[in-house]
Amino acid sequence: NAGVTQTPKFQVLKTGQSMTLQCAQDMNHNSMYWYRQDPGMGLRLIYYSASEGTTDKGEVPNGYNVSRLNKREFSLRLESAAPSQTSVYFCASSTSEGWRQETQYFGPGTRLLVL
Amino acid sequence: GNSVTQMEGPVTLSEEAFLTINCTYTATGYPSLFWYVQYPGEGLQLLLKATKADDKGSNKGFEATYRKETTSFHLEKGSVQVSDSAVYFCALSENDYKLSFGAGTTVTVRA
Repeated sequence: NAGVTQTPKFQVLKTGQSMTLQCAQDMNHNSMYWYRQDPGMGLRLIYYSASEGTTDKGEVPNGYNVSRLNKREFSLRLESAAPSQTSVYFCASSTSEGWRQETQYFGPGTRLLVL
Repeated sequence: GNSVTQMEGPVTLSEEAFLTINCTYTATGYPSLFWYVQYPGEGLQLLLKATKADDKGSNKGFEATYRKETTSFHLEKGSVQVSDSAVYFCALSENDYKLSFGAGTTVTVRA
């Protein structure tokens, strides 16, 4: 049971390049999330998917797109990277069993540097 | 909207010292409250949670009590160890499955 896995672990991009961050979970969770972590700002939600086939914007969606490929996989795409997107990106999943009682399980993160 | 405010760090302690990290929240209703911990180089993991007023969450020697009257959820541990060095995040969840996080508090415990 690997939990939540993310690839790649580290990436350097030039401004304007595109890339996709991959996330997969093997816990049969319904909900999945993408966050970015910046110093002094905690984690901010980019997009989430409450169930397979649905996605919704979070707090900071601009410049990102997502795809819920199936129940296991949730990818985050940067179409044209900007230096402001330099951050650590975390994927998470949760069971959706109990309203307001969710435990989210996090992946190890992807460190992205945009030059 | 919902928000969480944590005491600013970094916090540096000696082993066996008492740790407290303050957390207050703003919410329109009755949120669930969480503490997550991030060890160096890892993702976040749930430390403890409380879902209603006066509930006490506890785990690994850490405790936090949901205080509705003061809108607080302070984290405490009586005797810290070097292995408790991490970043601690307070978070809340109100009307859906999403979490709102505080900025995080970095704790370093020295032997």
